[in-house]
Amino acid sequence: SQTIHQWPATLVQPVGSPLSLECTVEGTSNPNLYWYRQAAGRGLQLLFYSVGIGQISSEVPQNLSASRPQDRQFILSSKKLLLSDSGFYLCAWSGQGAWQPQHFGDGTRLSIL
Amino acid sequence: QKEVEQDPGPLSVPEGAIVSLNCTYSNSAFQYFMWYRQYSRKGPELLMYTYSSGNKEDGRFTAQVDKSSKYISLFIRDSQPSDSATYLCAMSSGGYNKLIFGAGTRLAVHP
Repeated sequence: SQTIHQWPATLVQPVGSPLSLECTVEGTSNPNLYWYRQAAGRGLQLLFYSVGIGQISSEVPQNLSASRPQDRQFILSSKKLLLSDSGFYLCAWSGQGAWQPQHFGDGTRLSIL
Repeated sequence: QKEVEQDPGPLSVPEGAIVSLNCTYSNSAFQYFMWYRQYSRKGPELLMYTYSSGNKEDGRFTAQVDKSSKYISLFIRDSQPSDSATYLCAMSSGGYNKLIFGAGTRLAVHP
């Protein structure tokens, strides 16, 4: 069966520091991969999605970037964190081809001080 | 106007009650409709998905879609304290499977 892993689960970073969050998927090949941010009491906002290695689409302009160095690895990065980057970051995957639902990891709670 | 509107709740019901959770949407291009359950400090868990108008049943859960009214619902029968969570509706028009989420409804089922 397929599983998705995100780490770390919790992260506290100072303003201006860099960021790297990692997501990996097991048990499937060539998945679509997604990064979302969830603000407190709000729905999920899609940040980036990827349909293949090195292929990244950005949904909203922001201080973050994403990369997909391997088929089942998706990384969210920032060179300098802002206070507004605080939030709950979720990675998700879905199969390719005909429409398939997305499945989420357990997220990283990021606090910026 | 948001593409997807969802009653934020919170909703508090006694154990055994029937719960109705609802979302409305404005984009007629949405074809796929999902319900996720999210426990505190966890990622959303897919409960049900459908792509046609009508009802889909899975155990105590029934998903209902009315495309003509742009309205979807999730019904929970015989609600249990373990159903206490935030429920998120999500929709997609299919292109690259990008999802648009409602803000979520917080549900509390008390014994």
